Amino acid sequence: QVQLQQSGPGLVKPSQTLSLTCDISGDSVSTNSAAWNWIRQSPSRGLEWLGRTYYRSQWYHDYALSLKSRLTINPDTSKNQFSLQLNSVTPEDTAVYYCSRGHCSTTSCWGMDIWGQGTTVTVSS
Amino acid sequence: QSALTQPASVSGSPGQSITISCTGTSSDVGGYNYVSWYQQYPGKAPRLIIYEVTKRPSGVSNRFSGSKSGNTASLTISGLQTEDEADYHCCSYAGRSTCVFGGGTKLTVL
Repeated sequence: QVQLQQSGPGLVKPSQTLSLTCDISGDSVSTNSAAWNWIRQSPSRGLEWLGRTYYRSQWYHDYALSLKSRLTINPDTSKNQFSLQLNSVTPEDTAVYYCSRGHCSTTSCWGMDIWGQGTTVTVSS
Repeated sequence: QSALTQPASVSGSPGQSITISCTGTSSDVGGYNYVSWYQQYPGKAPRLIIYEVTKRPSGVSNRFSGSKSGNTASLTISGLQTEDEADYHCCSYAGRSTCVFGGGTKLTVL
């Protein structure tokens, strides 16, 4: 069965870079039938989709417009994982971060059917 | 992109049916048939229960159903059970390869 295992620090200082990794088991980051997403959740903003990466003969990256200038999501095919890097963080970036798989139907990949366990990230000095 | 609008809370008694609305615009909910719904228990990751407005993943009870009219999508839970008490979130494709979530709805089973 497909599982996603997240790792990364729980505390990041303001202005630094938040980095998280999501290890995939039971599926491949290079599959043509999924997209790999990052989502975060905070009490003030609820669930917020951050972005995704997926492979369709080449790699594609989609980002939430509000974060596009600070966010990078990259696959690592050698480790079968994907990562999130969020630059110049502020306390507003404090949240629980989730990775997820968007399983593709014939028309879309927006049903996120597998989720990581979540990582609580606090931005504080 | 603005978050989709959901009621903060809904409640119902065991055996009843409830409906949770998710209102957006013609740029998201109304423009595409890519609305999904997630169930979330406290301290747990969300779980997909509806995708592409009406489709249920395997293993999800047929007591959960989805629909859409105009700019509003709806999740209906029939035969309410105590185990359905959770938070429910909608999500819609919003164009330009992005998606947007609703604010979430807390379901209380009385």
